[in-house]
Amino acid sequence: GQQVMQIPQYQHVQEGEDFTTYCNSSTTLSNIQWYKQRPGGHPVFLIQLVKSGEVKKQKRLTFQFGEAKKNSSLHITATQTTDVGTYFCAVIMDSNYQLIWGAGTKLIIKP
Amino acid sequence: DAGVTQSPTHLIKTRGQQVTLRCSPISGHKSVSWYQQVLGQGPQFIFQYYEKEERGRGNFPDRFSARQFPNYSSELNVNALLLGDSALYLCASSAQGNYGYTFGSGTRLTVV
Repeated sequence: GQQVMQIPQYQHVQEGEDFTTYCNSSTTLSNIQWYKQRPGGHPVFLIQLVKSGEVKKQKRLTFQFGEAKKNSSLHITATQTTDVGTYFCAVIMDSNYQLIWGAGTKLIIKP
Repeated sequence: DAGVTQSPTHLIKTRGQQVTLRCSPISGHKSVSWYQQVLGQGPQFIFQYYEKEERGRGNFPDRFSARQFPNYSSELNVNALLLGDSALYLCASSAQGNYGYTFGSGTRLTVV
């Protein structure tokens, strides 16, 4: 079945450094969504990408969808403590509308 | 407007018991989905309902069932609870089920 591989599993950064998480699929994706889940919280929808090569920005967050629609990335510039959490990519399956989730990348700010 | 509301927030059950979890979607949202999230993992899809009809089902045993009511609220039922059913159960609503989902805060179920 459809799988989305997400790396890295963890990323430790100093506050002010950048953060990037990547999602890859062996098949062409019709869409990709990104969610953030704070520790002890629930996933919060950030964005959906559907077009080849699409780039969208939300303040310090930049989302990209690859030209072949097989990969996507989320980049955070100058991380802040409020960015701490796990970032998930997810894909909606056209067949049964389920979200297939990546394993998530946990952003940890070093003290 | 209220977001997605789930009840109860926490629940402790004994193996073999049955549990019912409840979800009220955002007003106007006709699609409700249920997910199970085990600590340290991404959510796993259980069901999606749209306009009171089941539109999708994940790879969960028949012990898991759900329904959606005319007001679009939903219940998830789990029978014959196992220790492995301990998880955070998330409900998500969407206007049509094919765009970004709004998640509730979840029900944390512990089976002992």
